[in-house]
Amino acid sequence: DAGVTQSPTHLIKTRGQHVTLRCSPISGHKSVSWYQQVLGQGPQFIFQYYEKEERGRGNFPDRFSARQFPNYSSELNVNALLLGDSALYLCASSFHGDREAFFGQGTRLTVV
Amino acid sequence: EDKVVQSPLSLVVHEGDTVTLNCSYEVTNFRSLLWYKQEKKAPTFLFMLTSSGIEKKSGRLSSILDKKELFSILNITATQTGDSAIYLCAVEGSQGNLIFGKGTKLSVKP
Repeated sequence: DAGVTQSPTHLIKTRGQHVTLRCSPISGHKSVSWYQQVLGQGPQFIFQYYEKEERGRGNFPDRFSARQFPNYSSELNVNALLLGDSALYLCASSFHGDREAFFGQGTRLTVV
Repeated sequence: EDKVVQSPLSLVVHEGDTVTLNCSYEVTNFRSLLWYKQEKKAPTFLFMLTSSGIEKKSGRLSSILDKKELFSILNITATQTGDSAIYLCAVEGSQGNLIFGKGTKLSVKP
């Protein structure tokens, strides 16, 4: 049984570019959340989607957006990349909420 | 503002030692506190605590919650090199998300 899968695993982008990160939840899970973890910090909540609707949003600028598809997979988009966006982006998959979530291996984004 | 504070931020011990990791929190409408172990990338679930004073155990790891004093501890006895990791504490937020502390980096030397 596949766990939470994220792609790509690593990515290098230039300042000002756009990036799309992808997440496939565990089969049967309808909730996907995104977290940003910069070096030396704990993960910070970006978005939560449940049944294709946004259910929660963290304190991130409008350059960050996300969506969930009918098959419950999700994309996180970041526009106009800044150096400070360099981080590990984690996807969490659950039935209803993050207290029971499983995390993917993450996408390591480096902005140069 | 909801927040989680972990201490110490880093810790170096020798195999066989016992360690105690601390987590204090402030959250509106507490529902649960969770502990995770992060070795490389994906945090892996250790414990979820919802009630005060009830110890949860899994092998050499145990954890307890004090809802009156707003803190939790994670104990690891007879540490092994495989316990080296970042230990994250999180509380459940009002949006069903998790609010994490900065983590404690534990290094266990042989």
